Amino acid sequence: AQSVTQLDSQVPVFEEAPVELRCNYSSSVSVYLFWYVQYPNQGLQLLLKYLSGSTLVKGINGFEAEFNKSQTSFHLRKPSVHISDTAEYFCAVTASGSRLTFGEGTQLTVNP
Amino acid sequence: ETGVTQTPRHLVMGMTNKKSLKCEQHLGHNAMYWYKQSAKKPLELMFVYSLEERVENNSVPSRFSPECPNSSHLFLHLHTLQPEDSALYLCASSQDLNRGSSYNEQFFGPGTRLTVL
Repeated sequence: AQSVTQLDSQVPVFEEAPVELRCNYSSSVSVYLFWYVQYPNQGLQLLLKYLSGSTLVKGINGFEAEFNKSQTSFHLRKPSVHISDTAEYFCAVTASGSRLTFGEGTQLTVNP
Repeated sequence: ETGVTQTPRHLVMGMTNKKSLKCEQHLGHNAMYWYKQSAKKPLELMFVYSLEERVENNSVPSRFSPECPNSSHLFLHLHTLQPEDSALYLCASSQDLNRGSSYNEQFFGPGTRLTVL
């Protein structure tokens, strides 16, 4: 079975600052990794995913994430955030033959 | 309509009412899911259907009753709910494991915000 830990429950930042949302996973087999974003009162929307190949994955809205197998991490980054990036972000992991497992979420709040 | 749709978007009900939540997916997927999202709590997987067969039921109280008449539609029937059942109920769909997909990428609907008075 897989597990996911999102290390920060809340991340406040100022507009135009860089941000990193941390995600660590645990698995004994190869994994596929996802970041979802949830805006207030909406469902989850896929931001980006790592399936194989290049460890740097680019997603929508200027976000990117880097898969680090040795550190079992998949941190999400954006070089300059906007007010509109305020949302909850979920890291998720799955492996072949397993269901998606979600982290507890990180609330990103971008302040003016 | 594209993707995953859910109706209604908002629902207020009393503890003695009976209501149903509806989910429809237009992605040709063969698995559907119900999740409960409460404030300050992680996502809770409630039910999983694969090819209209319930394959997972995660200790959900019997006052929640799912129904999957075909691979495109999923319902959650509600009766005699409690105030602590107030939450955002999310539906998702995917290609199921070993039936066309090796990984379980899920696509979500916008959710139904349920308030139980």
